[in-house]
Amino acid sequence: EPEVTQTPSHQVTQMGQEVILRCVPISNHLYFYWYRQILGQKVEFLVSFYNNEISEKSEIFDDQFSVERPDGSNFTLKIRSTKLEDSAMYFCASFRNPFVYFGPGTRLTVL
Amino acid sequence: DQQVKQNSPSLSVQEGRISILNCDYTNSMFDYFLWYKKYPAEGPTFLISISSIKDKNEDGRFTVFLNKSAKHLSLHIVPSQPGDSAVYFCAAITGANNLFFGTGTRLTVIP
Repeated sequence: EPEVTQTPSHQVTQMGQEVILRCVPISNHLYFYWYRQILGQKVEFLVSFYNNEISEKSEIFDDQFSVERPDGSNFTLKIRSTKLEDSAMYFCASFRNPFVYFGPGTRLTVL
Repeated sequence: DQQVKQNSPSLSVQEGRISILNCDYTNSMFDYFLWYKKYPAEGPTFLISISSIKDKNEDGRFTVFLNKSAKHLSLHIVPSQPGDSAVYFCAAITGANNLFFGTGTRLTVIP
């Protein structure tokens, strides 16, 4: 069974600090996504990434957020200046039609 | 614009009975539909999928039905077990590889 991994599993940071969430998607997949789920709320789409560029992003994904695939294996989500409301579980997904696999998530806590 | 909708945020079913989770969509260009199951603090895990050219797909206790004319799909779980208690998401994929998720339905199976 293919597996998407995410690190760290839990990240605690102070408001205003930068965080980088890392994902290793499945190697032959072409599309990558970030989603988040604030505690008790729905899973929200953040961004999709294909061919080394953003293909779609939601209203949540403002200029405080960025994604990149620096080395062909890792897929990262950076939040430049975290806010309290960024506290959530962040899930990476790896997609090759029609299969989508999710990572286990990173719990981000902003204090 | 929510292209994939799950109008029931929650569902409770007695153990052994059938659980029916519903999903509606608006985009007739979806090629594939998928169901995911999510436990708290874990990533969504793939359950079952169906191509838009089919109307039924079965895998053990799980069956997905697709009604293209009504733009509706449903997931049937029978018999329901307490371990099935989770949040269930439906998702849909277009030919352009855009992936859309519903907002989820929390299933509680009562022993």
